[in-house]
Amino acid sequence: AQSVAQPEDQVNVAEGNPLTVKCTYSVSGNPYLFWYVQYPNRGLQFLLKYITGDNLVKGSYGFEAEFNKSQTSFHLKKPSALVSDSALYFCAVRPPRYGGSQGNLIFGKGTKLSVKP
Amino acid sequence: NAGVTQTPKFRVLKTGQSMTLLCAQDMNHEYMYWYRQDPGMGLRLIHYSVGEGTTAKGEVPDGYNVSRLKKQNFLLGLESAAPSQTSVYFCASSLTPNTGELFFGEGSRLTVL
Repeated sequence: AQSVAQPEDQVNVAEGNPLTVKCTYSVSGNPYLFWYVQYPNRGLQFLLKYITGDNLVKGSYGFEAEFNKSQTSFHLKKPSALVSDSALYFCAVRPPRYGGSQGNLIFGKGTKLSVKP
Repeated sequence: NAGVTQTPKFRVLKTGQSMTLLCAQDMNHEYMYWYRQDPGMGLRLIHYSVGEGTTAKGEVPDGYNVSRLKKQNFLLGLESAAPSQTSVYFCASSLTPNTGELFFGEGSRLTVL
């Protein structure tokens, strides 16, 4: 079955330190990969996506993500965390449209990022 | 700049009651989606639509119905609410089905007693 895993329920980081939020996926073919962020009592907001090309993609608010095909991972990173980065982060995968898949997004369960001053 | 608007934002129902959640988008997007968000479960797709007059089942469609009579609106209905349908519901839209990102509404919190 196609799936997305975010192995950490919560990530705690001190402000100014680098952060990584992990994501791995199990999807056949070449999927499209996304990261979304959700602030309290708000809808999800798009951060960045990988479609093809350079394995390192840059997105909003200084975030970037690295696609690793051999490890089927798409980890979210930021060189220097801010307290305002504290939120819930979702990795999502859009599988190719074949083999019975409609190509709809599959979301991970989310990782809560907490950045302390 | 409204984007995706959901109404109502909060609702409390008794078991067996019916209700409709309305989603409206002003971006002329073809694709619209209804998700539910539950703690520790992420987002799960209920139904979606690839254009006006079309709907399709997602991952968890049972107990829900949808309609897309107008391109800008996507309605989610609960005919006979159950406590298991207590959740936060999100509507989203996208311009393209594959590479385009989703634009989400702010959510509708539904409690079924």
